[in-house]
Amino acid sequence: DTAVSQTPKYLVTQMGNDKSIKCEQNLGHDTMYWYKQDSKKFLKIMFSYNNKELIINETVPNRFSPKSPDKAHLNLHINSLELGDSAVYFCASSQEGGWGGQYFGPGTRLTVT
Amino acid sequence: DAKTTQPTSMDCAEGRAANLPCNHSTISGNEYVYWYRQIHSQGPQYIIHGLKNNETNEMASLIITEDRKSSTLILPHATLRDTAVYYCIVKVGANNLFFGTGTRLTVIP
Repeated sequence: DTAVSQTPKYLVTQMGNDKSIKCEQNLGHDTMYWYKQDSKKFLKIMFSYNNKELIINETVPNRFSPKSPDKAHLNLHINSLELGDSAVYFCASSQEGGWGGQYFGPGTRLTVT
Repeated sequence: DAKTTQPTSMDCAEGRAANLPCNHSTISGNEYVYWYRQIHSQGPQYIIHGLKNNETNEMASLIITEDRKSSTLILPHATLRDTAVYYCIVKVGANNLFFGTGTRLTVIP
């Protein structure tokens, strides 16, 4: 069974559209994350979220919003997509208070045209 | 968060030990050293972590100097599947990994 899964794997869309990427983890973890990896392969934290707190990287535009319907899911909504949003987005999870290692999903490659 | 410095790239012959260094001279007493790797087109994968003592698991060994200002990740018998970018990260707690540019390890047949 896949520990952290993301859908879709590839997403191609036009500028100005609104899209969502889904993430699910079956590890029983209570903290989930979203990362963005740009064309230069630099991996950057966007959000971390558990049932107590949402921590937002201050450089993330407010067009990006995480939504968690339950502890096992953290979806990423993106409004008014821009060309610069093209990247690979990774979801991850970890157990708060645990040894701190994060498990990553396979990534979603978003291309904005 | 303490910053880390790693070589941009390294090569290693298949079957040999790969030793990947990391400098973290500004690390504070309660910050752990974590290692992750990212194989092409996949999500990062946790390898190992430590605080003060050397650590070993089924994937690798982590050697941390006594002053904790540097560490070395050792892959004892590198295989072609170990070709990846290896990230050394220092942090407190589980949240917010800050990835640097990492070391691109190429295992050569």
